[in-house]
Amino acid sequence: EVQLVQSGAEVKKPGESLKISCKGSGYRFTSYWIGWVRQMPGKGLEWMGIIYPGDSDTRYSPSFQGQVTISADKSISTAYLQWSSLKASDTAMYYCARRSGYYELDYWGQGTLVTVSS
Amino acid sequence: QTVVTQEPSFSVSPGGTVTLTCGLSSGSVSTSYYPSWYQQTPGQAPRTLIHSTITRSSGVPDRFSGSILGSTAALTITGAQADDESDYYCVLYMGSGISLFGGGTKLTVL
Repeated sequence: EVQLVQSGAEVKKPGESLKISCKGSGYRFTSYWIGWVRQMPGKGLEWMGIIYPGDSDTRYSPSFQGQVTISADKSISTAYLQWSSLKASDTAMYYCARRSGYYELDYWGQGTLVTVSS
Repeated sequence: QTVVTQEPSFSVSPGGTVTLTCGLSSGSVSTSYYPSWYQQTPGQAPRTLIHSTITRSSGVPDRFSGSILGSTAALTITGAQADDESDYYCVLYMGSGISLFGGGTKLTVL
């Protein structure tokens, strides 16, 4: 069974750094892209970027380029999303999802809620 | 900057048929954009409904169907049920590994 399990909720202060994770199981982790999706409170879904764990090829949506870093450790089947300096506007639910060969996101993690507040 | 457009809201009667659309701020949507559709209820992760324009994901009822309608991708729900009341999002593949979400449509069944 394909599963993506994300790390737990985080509460941080502005300016702090953060790295959240997404662990894949039940499939060959290195053979599928993993994407990250943001959902701000009461708002829609936003495509942030995507990584191919097989070779760490990473692509970012222009809106998120330079704002976050996506990485992966294929030895432990885990993808990451990180911030070097959080802002209050980073408060959101973040989902990881596997992308299939037909470009759809076919399996989703349960989401990680990030709250940034002073 | 390209924007993927969806109706902000739509309403359908139980048992009725509704078609939600997914367009581009400039240009037409074709199968080359590999349109996909997702359903999200409050507090839940999205669920994949349709990929590659017309292909239903595993376990999705056949009352959900995808198509190209003129210059847009479309999601049609035939025989709407109360538990179809959700937010619906389309995604278009823009090339170079990047995709874009539409703004989502809030569907009310009443």
